[in-house]
Amino acid sequence: GAGVSQSPSNKVTEKGKDVELRCDPISGHTALYWYRQSLGQGLEFLIYFQGNSAPDKSGLPSDRFSAERTGGSVSTLTIQRTQQEDSAVYLCASSLLILAVGGTDTQYFGPGTRLTVL
Amino acid sequence: KQEVTQIPAALSVPEGENLVLNCSFTDSAIYNLQWFRQDPGKGLTSLLLIQSSQREQTSGRLNASLDKSSGRSTLYIAASQPGDSATYLCAVRLRDYKLSFGAGTTVTVRA
Repeated sequence: GAGVSQSPSNKVTEKGKDVELRCDPISGHTALYWYRQSLGQGLEFLIYFQGNSAPDKSGLPSDRFSAERTGGSVSTLTIQRTQQEDSAVYLCASSLLILAVGGTDTQYFGPGTRLTVL
Repeated sequence: KQEVTQIPAALSVPEGENLVLNCSFTDSAIYNLQWFRQDPGKGLTSLLLIQSSQREQTSGRLNASLDKSSGRSTLYIAASQPGDSATYLCAVRLRDYKLSFGAGTTVTVRA
């Protein structure tokens, strides 16, 4: 079946504009995650969804960042009033479900959206 | 806060040599540890996932070990090939379900 897809693959925007990044998880995966990969900073967790709810938003860097998920499927990450430091690759991942200790929940990643803020 | 460190940051070997990539983490209360591969401009591909109760996992030429008590994992790639050239990332999952990543080891296999 299809893997995780993300759109757009590349986005160039001007400072101060809003952007929306989309993630289509693997069908049937209840858990969805957003990560950010910046040059020199590695991969950092942003937010995860279990179904449509987001129990952990601890990684969102500021209140300019928000995310939603509808129908337990597609998720959108929105960045308002973009800044140059928001430039990064935004990766989305999904997993079948979140299990307890010792469980298997391999995360499958999409190709990412490369965001450049001028 | 979980800190994940990968050593070395970069590695260059001739084709056929075995690769040894190291990952260390500070909080041993992990649920599992996952090794990923990332090719330039691409997303992450999961290679191996080791559950907290396991000591190793194998897939083809890849073998990953886990020593929770010492906070270490090692990824072995046997008989390396030029196609193995990529960045390898180690990630650990704690009880809060998110993955904490190392900075990665960039591998170059010379033909």
